[in-house]
Amino acid sequence: GPKVLQIPSHQIIDMGQMVTLNCDPVSNHLYFYWYKQILGQQMEFLVNFYNGKVMEKSKLFKDQFSVERPDGSYFTLKIQPTALEDSAVYFCASSSGQSNTEVFFGKGTRLTVV
Amino acid sequence: GDSVTQKEGLVTLTEGLPVMLNCTYQTIYSNAFLFWYVHYLNESPRLLLKSSTDNKRTEHQGFHATLHKSSSSFHLQKSSAQLSDSALYYCALSDQEGTGSNRLTFGKGTKFSLIP
Repeated sequence: GPKVLQIPSHQIIDMGQMVTLNCDPVSNHLYFYWYKQILGQQMEFLVNFYNGKVMEKSKLFKDQFSVERPDGSYFTLKIQPTALEDSAVYFCASSSGQSNTEVFFGKGTRLTVV
Repeated sequence: GDSVTQKEGLVTLTEGLPVMLNCTYQTIYSNAFLFWYVHYLNESPRLLLKSSTDNKRTEHQGFHATLHKSSSSFHLQKSSAQLSDSALYYCALSDQEGTGSNRLTFGKGTKFSLIP
């Protein structure tokens, strides 16, 4: 089936440094998402992105977070600077539409901030 | 805001027995969509079932669930669980009226483990 690829699968970074998580969405999809999952807790919505713009973001999407998808390239989540509480698994997802269309997830990137 | 509750963190069963994983939700919007995602180890979470129709049973790959708006529930069931069903199961909610953005609210997940 359709696949969302996330690169890298694991990332360890020093607190205060910048990190970029990369996502290759399903090829014909137009809506892109990031979710954050802290160990032992549920996946929580961070942001969704359509037509070059953030459509909606949650309270977890701090000022240090940003997303973009330059033409034809990865959909990225950048955190600058990182903090210890940013340690989590970040899932990228994509869908072809909005209302009730299936959302496809990647395997996640495990980010550890030390 | 919206919330989803999965009261069992871990369910362990002997293969061949029936299983029910509980899911209840809260939302102020009437047009809620409920989903079950299955997450196998080292794989991506993927959609198993979805529904927005009250009291209508939906089925896929041997699993079934019925959305009951009166009790705000969407329990996942299977009549005979198999070893290959061992995975994490997430219940999720999307309220189209509230956000219009296909944003999902997830439960904490239930780890389903089968014993041969």
